[in-house]
Amino acid sequence: EAGVTQSPTHLIKTRGQQATLRCSPISGHTSVYWYQQALGLGLQFLLWYDEGEERNRGNFPPRFSGRQFPNYSSELNVNALELEDSALYLCASSSGQGQFGQPQHFGDGTRLSIL
Amino acid sequence: DQQVKQNSPSLSVQEGRISILNCDYTNSMFDYFLWYKKYPAEGPTFLISISSIKDKNEDGRFTVFLNKSAKHLSLHIVPSQPGDSAVYFCAAPPYSGAGSYQLTFGKGTKLSVIP
Repeated sequence: EAGVTQSPTHLIKTRGQQATLRCSPISGHTSVYWYQQALGLGLQFLLWYDEGEERNRGNFPPRFSGRQFPNYSSELNVNALELEDSALYLCASSSGQGQFGQPQHFGDGTRLSIL
Repeated sequence: DQQVKQNSPSLSVQEGRISILNCDYTNSMFDYFLWYKKYPAEGPTFLISISSIKDKNEDGRFTVFLNKSAKHLSLHIVPSQPGDSAVYFCAAPPYSGAGSYQLTFGKGTKLSVIP
């Protein structure tokens, strides 16, 4: 069974540009979560999508947005990139709505570097 | 407000000995906890979880203990192996009635198992 896949592996942008990160969940998983891991910090929750709808978002500005497609894959868009957006972006998926006993499974992340 | 805290950034243990990783939480509503392991350049991998109705959960060499009164949990690895060298994250979803499932992570503890 294929795991969570993320693309690209690395992404280099400059300030003010826009970045698009992609995630394909494990087959059968309908929930997709996005997390940011900046240097020196733990994983910070960004966005949660389930059945095509945004269910919850973390404490991030509106220039962080995304969507979930009918096949449950997801995109994270970051507009007006700032230096502080340099981080590892991790996508996770789970079956159902992440009921307890259904742990989230993570991809290997996209390393976003802002120059 | 850091609701999940891992106060030891790093831990070194001899191969064959016990590794004990600690985690404290402040939100008394948390009722489910997970441990993830992360190797460099890979996403976090689910290791073990515990529900607040238990005080111990065991899976092979890994045991998680939960002390609800102290709001403290610990992960024990016995015996420790060099392949266990990784960063370990403690995580918790909102309480079971919250209707949301994103995880709150600690900052992680880097475990080094010395051969």
